Amino acid sequence: GAGVSQSPSNKVTEKGKDVELRCDPISGHTALYWYRQSLGQGLEFLIYFQGNSAPDKSGLPSDRFSAERTGGSVSTLTIQRTQQEDSAVYLCASSLGQGATDTQYFGPGTRLTVL
Amino acid sequence: AQTVTQSQPEMSVQEAETVTLSCTYDTSENNYYLFWYKQPPSRQMILVIRQEAYKQQNATENRFSVNFQKAAKSFSLKISDSQLGDTAMYFCAFMSSAGGTSYGKLTFGQGTILTVHP
Repeated sequence: GAGVSQSPSNKVTEKGKDVELRCDPISGHTALYWYRQSLGQGLEFLIYFQGNSAPDKSGLPSDRFSAERTGGSVSTLTIQRTQQEDSAVYLCASSLGQGATDTQYFGPGTRLTVL
Repeated sequence: AQTVTQSQPEMSVQEAETVTLSCTYDTSENNYYLFWYKQPPSRQMILVIRQEAYKQQNATENRFSVNFQKAAKSFSLKISDSQLGDTAMYFCAFMSSAGGTSYGKLTFGQGTILTVHP
């Protein structure tokens, strides 16, 4: 079946603009995760959803970042008033459940460049 | 908080040879899971192997095996009979088995770029 998909694959924006990054998880997967991969910070956890709820938002870097998930499926990560330090690859993953034995399947990521 | 350290930024190996990637971690927990993920140039992370801390036996997946030393908090990945398709960045990762709001969260090391030469 289809894997995790993310769109757009690449996004170039100007500083101060808002961007929306989309993640389509594998059908039937209840858990969804967002990670950020940047040169300075490596791979860091941002937020996860179990169903439509996000119990832990502490990984979001600032209040300019928000995420939502609707219908237990598609998730959107929104960055408001983008800054150059937001430039990174944003990875989404989904898993059947939330346990460690539930493999997280990753999408190809969205490369965000803030000019 | 848990930390994961990969001290080898880059490694290279000849095709058909064996290579070992190092990983150490720090945690106060007794039960947890460790992973190795592979990220090829396509950017898509792929799970290579998983180890449960309470299992003493080292996990193996075909040409991939781990050397898990719980007391030393070490978790190295051995790739045997290296193939050109193994060229990728490899990440070591930790996941707590404790409940709570961060259940399921992966903490990654900095990554090791592995190049397999023909």
